[in-house]
Amino acid sequence: EVQLVESGGGLVQPGGSLRLSCAGSGFTFGNHAMSWVRQAPGKGLEWVSGISGSGRNPYYADSVKGRFTVSRDNSRNTVSLLINNVRAEDTAIYYCAKDKRQADWLSGLFDYWGQGTLVTVSA
Amino acid sequence: SYVLTQPPSESVAPGQTARISCGGKNIDGKSVHWFQQKPGQAPLLVIEYDSDRPSGIPERFSGSNSGNTATLTISRVEAGDEADYYCQVWDSRSDHPVFGGGTKLTVL
Repeated sequence: EVQLVESGGGLVQPGGSLRLSCAGSGFTFGNHAMSWVRQAPGKGLEWVSGISGSGRNPYYADSVKGRFTVSRDNSRNTVSLLINNVRAEDTAIYYCAKDKRQADWLSGLFDYWGQGTLVTVSA
Repeated sequence: SYVLTQPPSESVAPGQTARISCGGKNIDGKSVHWFQQKPGQAPLLVIEYDSDRPSGIPERFSGSNSGNTATLTISRVEAGDEADYYCQVWDSRSDHPVFGGGTKLTVL
């Protein structure tokens, strides 16, 4: 059974940093690209970042480029998202999502999602 | 980047057919995926590649894509289908996925 479990969310002050993690199981982790999709309170889904299965190719939305860094450790079946210089508009539930295709690029077809981790930015 | 436009809300009576649209320029040249999200839950893939149903998704869910509009159709709507629905495509210009704004389906 595929499982994705996010962690690392919480309350952070504006300008601070936060690292989110997602642990995957039930599939060959390194064969699939992974993404982070966020959802602000009461709002829609926004893709923010992804990374290829090997970890060689990161992808970022323009809205977060330069502040977010995605990485993965296939030996530990984890993908991480480092958020620097957090802003109020980063307040959201952050979901980890698995790419359905087995390829070393991001296809954007998400077949499994974690339950999300809430990031709240407030002074 | 590529823009997907969905109506904010749709309503349908139980047993009837719900149709949720997703507009985008020449969207029929892209593969459209649809997600269902119930309150407090993660999104669930219900249609992939315009019209394919993933394993476990009821046959009542179907999809189509033509011209500038993709459509998710839910036949014989049940109370349990009440949820937010999102369309999504890959934007080749920006090289990343794009979601529509979502449609809240209310079952009357």
